[in-house]
Amino acid sequence: GAGVSQSPRYKVAKRGQDVALRCDPISGHVSLFWYQQALGQGPEFLTYFQNEAQLDKSGLPSDRFFAERPEGSVSTLKIQRTQQEDSAVYLCASSLQAGTETQYFGPGTRLLVL
Amino acid sequence: GQQVMQIPQYQHVQEGEDFTTYCNSSTTLSNIQWYKQRPGGHPVFLIQLVKSGEVKKQKRLTFQFGEAKKNSSLHITATQTTDVGTYFCAGRGAAGNKLTFGGGTRVLVKP
Repeated sequence: GAGVSQSPRYKVAKRGQDVALRCDPISGHVSLFWYQQALGQGPEFLTYFQNEAQLDKSGLPSDRFFAERPEGSVSTLKIQRTQQEDSAVYLCASSLQAGTETQYFGPGTRLLVL
Repeated sequence: GQQVMQIPQYQHVQEGEDFTTYCNSSTTLSNIQWYKQRPGGHPVFLIQLVKSGEVKKQKRLTFQFGEAKKNSSLHITATQTTDVGTYFCAGRGAAGNKLTFGGGTRVLVKP
């Protein structure tokens, strides 16, 4: 595709509900990143995939957060038993290769937990 | 862990004036990237600096990487209303692909 796409763009969840956020990276991009951006803050790293391998998940805030990229393209970030503090914009980014490449960001999913 | 700080947090600029925003890392970086995020938008890559002391220019924007590879700056000349947005620096450490973003400088331009 022309760019990174994410769905849904907006999600309202009740506290305790599970949510799944989807990221379609640019075709052929090896690396995929998930970030969490709270209002007025910079993006914070959550996790990184190289193809289907999750090489770094050090930024996931708790075991309620889980990400996968089973076929090395589309990725899903799942949040179980959502809490109000999970409210944020979740950004996905992809880059052509591993290493020091430019990251191309998607539009983000704005999650509001009530 | 690695921390990246940006100052100022807010920058109110008169149209036509110059300003500089600064980025400081707690650790030595392998490279640093700058992104711009318009209100309601997502970060868009501007540039990457790799070498110690490197200076790159993009039209009215001048980016610099410090000699110690722990700090960077973005200087904008003759600010225009199109420069409105938040400018983030993001540093990559010696190992891994993880980018650590600063808190951003929010730029408002007064016409």
